[in-house]
Amino acid sequence: GAGVSQSPSNKVTEKGKDVELRCDPISGHTALYWYRQSLGQGLEFLIYFQGNSAPDKSGLPSDRFSAERTGGSVSTLTIQRTQQEDSAVYLCASSATVNSPLHFGNGTRLTVT
Amino acid sequence: EDQVTQSPEALRLQEGESSSLNCSYTVSGLRGLFWYRQDPGKGPEFLFTLYSAGEEKEKERLKATLTKKESFLHITAPKPEDSATYLCAVQGAYGGATNKLIFGTGTLLAVQP
Repeated sequence: GAGVSQSPSNKVTEKGKDVELRCDPISGHTALYWYRQSLGQGLEFLIYFQGNSAPDKSGLPSDRFSAERTGGSVSTLTIQRTQQEDSAVYLCASSATVNSPLHFGNGTRLTVT
Repeated sequence: EDQVTQSPEALRLQEGESSSLNCSYTVSGLRGLFWYRQDPGKGPEFLFTLYSAGEEKEKERLKATLTKKESFLHITAPKPEDSATYLCAVQGAYGGATNKLIFGTGTLLAVQP
């Protein structure tokens, strides 16, 4: 019965370093999403997984961003050579099907100094 | 391009003072319109899904309604614990729009005792 779990909850990194953000979806949920929320901005779609494949990567802002999902469960979002504009809250969500409501984790707050 | 606009950006109410939040949308075919509540430092929490014009959903002091161009979230006799940011999102019915929710920037509601 656990919800979506994200780790770490906070991450401070230096400009130019790589970071990995982790998402554990609700058990049995086949769809998984990554969103980014910046101060004063709406939630920005990044990528959608169905199972282990990513049919929609259209929201990834640059080739520094990548994500994978293994075993139809855990997902990792990797940001290479971080920039200050990458600072935001990164939210993961899962849903039972693509047409079901999204259930969000509490996010990872990324600060790039 | 699918778009969601929420108004007002912020709303301050006295406890017991009913009001409505607006969500205007443009989408090439609507699969669903979603309302979420977000508390500070937390991920969005699902409230309602509406699928067709004329549909209404209720939960405690909240009622969501849908027309072909907008949705309203009516808050009746609010309490301080209703204070939060309320987010509206749409899912399109065609192509890649079915893979994601497009969010508005939210309405920050503060209910004073």
